[in-house]
Amino acid sequence: QLQLQETGPGLVKPSETLSLTCIVSGGSISRSSRYWGWIRQPPGKGLEWVGSIYSSGSTYYNPSLKSRVTISVDTSKNQFSLKLSSVTAADAAVYYCATYSGDYSLPIDHWGQGTLVTVSS
Amino acid sequence: DIQMTQSPSSLSASVGDRVTIICRASQSISAYLNWYQQKPGKAPVLLIYAASTLQSGVPSRFSGSGSETDFTLTISSLQPEDFASYYCQQSFISPPTFGQGTKVELK
Repeated sequence: QLQLQETGPGLVKPSETLSLTCIVSGGSISRSSRYWGWIRQPPGKGLEWVGSIYSSGSTYYNPSLKSRVTISVDTSKNQFSLKLSSVTAADAAVYYCATYSGDYSLPIDHWGQGTLVTVSS
Repeated sequence: DIQMTQSPSSLSASVGDRVTIICRASQSISAYLNWYQQKPGKAPVLLIYAASTLQSGVPSRFSGSGSETDFTLTISSLQPEDFASYYCQQSFISPPTFGQGTKVELK
């Protein structure tokens, strides 16, 4: 059973870069035909897909964030990471790492518990 | 981006009630539609994928239907553990987008 756990700072200053890592256990990132990605949820609001990376290394980003987002994989540590640059208060949210298979509707079937990121000086 | 609109945004219901949530897409998405349940402070949980396929381990009182632009999530007999928020999500065209959510509250 796949398990995902987000790690990273809970507080980021405006204009700086948000960096989060998702540690994966119960399966290999590199040996699975899966997408590994990030979804965020501002407090009290809905869900927004940030982006994902396929096990082959191909990346997919939300166009609304594309110029600021980088998702990468470290297969040696079985983890993947999110970097979001030039953050503002609008980027404050709970960030979930998640994974979905290549099945028909790409259902997101495993989620991390989420980590709250606050943007403040 | 494809816009997903859920209705209602919230509803009040009693244990044992039949509950239906509607999700409409701004363009046809075939059956590329998933439903999630989210409880306060927790990550979403996949309930239904491909519009009508029940995820393994999800109780059979949950069901989904629809295609193209109109979809429904039905809870046949609401249980205490079902009071939560529900989100639809399309994956037909990137970026995947979610509905704004429907909060099911105790009447």
